[in-house]
Amino acid sequence: EVQLMESGGGLVQPGGSLRLSCAASGFTFRSYWMSWVRQAPGKGLEWVAIIKQDGSEKYDVDSVKGRFTISRDNAKNSVYLQMNSLRAEDTAVYYCARGFVGTTDYWGQGTLVTVSS
Amino acid sequence: DIVMTQTPLPSPVTLGQPASISCRSSQSLVRSDGDTYLSWLQQRPGQPPRLLIYKISNRFSGVPDRFSGSGAGTDFTLKISRVEAEDVGVYYCMQGTQLPHTFGQGTKLEI
Repeated sequence: EVQLMESGGGLVQPGGSLRLSCAASGFTFRSYWMSWVRQAPGKGLEWVAIIKQDGSEKYDVDSVKGRFTISRDNAKNSVYLQMNSLRAEDTAVYYCARGFVGTTDYWGQGTLVTVSS
Repeated sequence: DIVMTQTPLPSPVTLGQPASISCRSSQSLVRSDGDTYLSWLQQRPGQPPRLLIYKISNRFSGVPDRFSGSGAGTDFTLKISRVEAEDVGVYYCMQGTQLPHTFGQGTKLEI
């Protein structure tokens, strides 16, 4: 069974940093692109970043460029999102999701990030 | 970036009746490989999103056959042949043709 479990969310002050982790199991992790998607409270979905199977290609949305970094460790079956210079508008539930044919087929339960003083 | 625009459903929808959600993209979603990477996801209340349809019309594993997808180019539709109570939630179209991937604003289905 495919499972994705995010961790690392919490309350952080504006300008602070957090590192989100996503532990994968139930599939051959190194064979899949992985993404981060976020959802602000009561709002829709926003794609954040994606990373290729071997980590050689990464892309992120303009609103997080220069502040967020996606990475992965295939030996640990994990994908990460390093978030720096956090802003109030980054407050959201952050989901990791497995890449599948130009979309995402399995999602974790999400981890809540709250940026507030 | 490609903008995805969804149309609202008449609210509420009647159990057992069909429902249809439209999604339009700001440019063609046909990629250079000839495929169109338009998918539909369902998000039930309090749950993460769930993939229903990929590449316009392919049902994902375990998705009931009352869900179907159609369309081409820039105009796409998700149809539910007979709405059931468990279909309550928000439906999103998503394009994976061009980075950044983008979602529609969501369409809420209420019964």
